Amino acid sequence: SAVISQKPSRDICQRGTSLTIQCQVDSQVTMMFWYRQQPGQSLTLIATANQGSEATYESGFVIDKFPISRPNLTFSTLTVSNMSPEDSSIYLCSGRTGENYGYTFGSGTRLTVV
Amino acid sequence: AQSVAQPEDQVNVAEGNPLTVKCTYSVSGNPYLFWYVQYPNRGLQFLLKYITGDNLVKGSYGFEAEFNKSQTSFHLKKPSALVSDSALYFCAVRAPYSSASKIIFGSGTRLSIRP
Repeated sequence: SAVISQKPSRDICQRGTSLTIQCQVDSQVTMMFWYRQQPGQSLTLIATANQGSEATYESGFVIDKFPISRPNLTFSTLTVSNMSPEDSSIYLCSGRTGENYGYTFGSGTRLTVV
Repeated sequence: AQSVAQPEDQVNVAEGNPLTVKCTYSVSGNPYLFWYVQYPNRGLQFLLKYITGDNLVKGSYGFEAEFNKSQTSFHLKKPSALVSDSALYFCAVRAPYSSASKIIFGSGTRLSIRP
């Protein structure tokens, strides 16, 4: 199955700044997704990253806060903009891998905003 | 809209005993169902999935799950628990025939296996 490399694995950022998280897949994936997870809690879908078009955002998430890029079928970025302490969380990317409906996840980015 | 529920925040089992982690779902049509496991400070690892076919699905690390359409459930099971099975387990569902292809996760169940 596909392997997703996600970076950075963790970061501590100042409020008001932005952080871009990258996910690189070792094979082409049809769909990519970005999730947020508070430690020990469930995953909340932020958006679906579409190749060649704008991302599709879930309720409560907006493009200005979480801009996403998907320039090709193996790469995507999520930017957390104008960060506040409430953005402290784990961010994970996921890719849908082929016809067997498999979904692979990156190892996550643990973000702390101070 | 699709949703999935994991009614137990925590399940405690003695090593060697059978374990069950419960999951129920709500979706229009026949669902695609998944179980994932997360170890501390790690990403999600795929355990098993049900798309179609046999209701009993076998997955990684000796886990299996049974799809029960009448009860809209997809409980995760293992005949004999290991201490190393202690982790956070997530059930997830995807609506069939959805162009969005997104999967929605349950709240998670922390499984604790005591020696």
